[in-house]
Amino acid sequence: DAKTTQPTSMDCAEGRAANLPCNHSTISGNEYVYWYRQIHSQGPQYIIHGLKNNETNEMASLIITEDRKSSTLILPHATLRDTAVYYCIAGAVQGAQKLVFGQGTRLTINP
Amino acid sequence: DSGVTQTPKHLITATGQRVTLRCSPRSGDLSVYWYQQSLDQGLQFLIQYYNGEERAKGNILERFSAQQFPDLHSELNLSSLELGDSALYFCASSVWPDGTGGYGYTFGSGTRLTVV
Repeated sequence: DAKTTQPTSMDCAEGRAANLPCNHSTISGNEYVYWYRQIHSQGPQYIIHGLKNNETNEMASLIITEDRKSSTLILPHATLRDTAVYYCIAGAVQGAQKLVFGQGTRLTINP
Repeated sequence: DSGVTQTPKHLITATGQRVTLRCSPRSGDLSVYWYQQSLDQGLQFLIQYYNGEERAKGNILERFSAQQFPDLHSELNLSSLELGDSALYFCASSVWPDGTGGYGYTFGSGTRLTVV
C-alpha cells in the first residue's frame, strides 16, 4: 500500500468548508484513496473513496488530482460533530485487502 | 448503530489471563477484520477472515488467535495477557474481501480491554 502524508492537526470554523489534504505520491494505478474518520474513541467511520474521478456523497466530496499524487477531502459545511481524526488511506482493490491506517489529521471545528 | 456488534464493550482482566472478544458482522457482510488501537500506536491491523477462511494477517502476536464461524461471527482470542495488551479492539466487516461495494469497511464500537 502506498504511504500517505497528512497534516497532524487542522482547525476550521463551524459552518465553513473544511478542506483536508493528503499526499500519496507513490500511489499505484490500482490503488484507491479511502477516507475514514474516528470520533473520540468510537469505531472509525467510512466517508468516501475514489480512484481517479472526483466523488461526492452525502457526507463529503473527494477531489483527486489528475496525477493522483494528492487528494483533498471536503466537508462542505462543517459542524461541531465533525470534530474527529480523519484518515486518508491508499489501498489496492485486489484479493485480500487490509486497510492500513496512519496517524491521520485531527480536525477541530470551532464554534 | 453501525450493524457490527462487538461484545463485551469493556473488559478488565489480570496479567496472564485469557479473554475472548466477539464480533457479529453487519448482515450480508462476509469479511471480518480485527484492529487493535493503543494510545501510542494508532490503529493496527491484526487479521482478516472471509467466509470462514483467513485471508490476511498483520502484526498479530502468536498469543493472539482468531476464527470466523459458519454463521460468520468472529472471535479474537487473547492469551497470556500482558499490560501492553491494554487497548481498544475493533472489528470491522465488509461485503467483499477487498472492502469495496461502495461502503468500505463498517466498524463496530469496539471492546476496551484493560489488563491490570
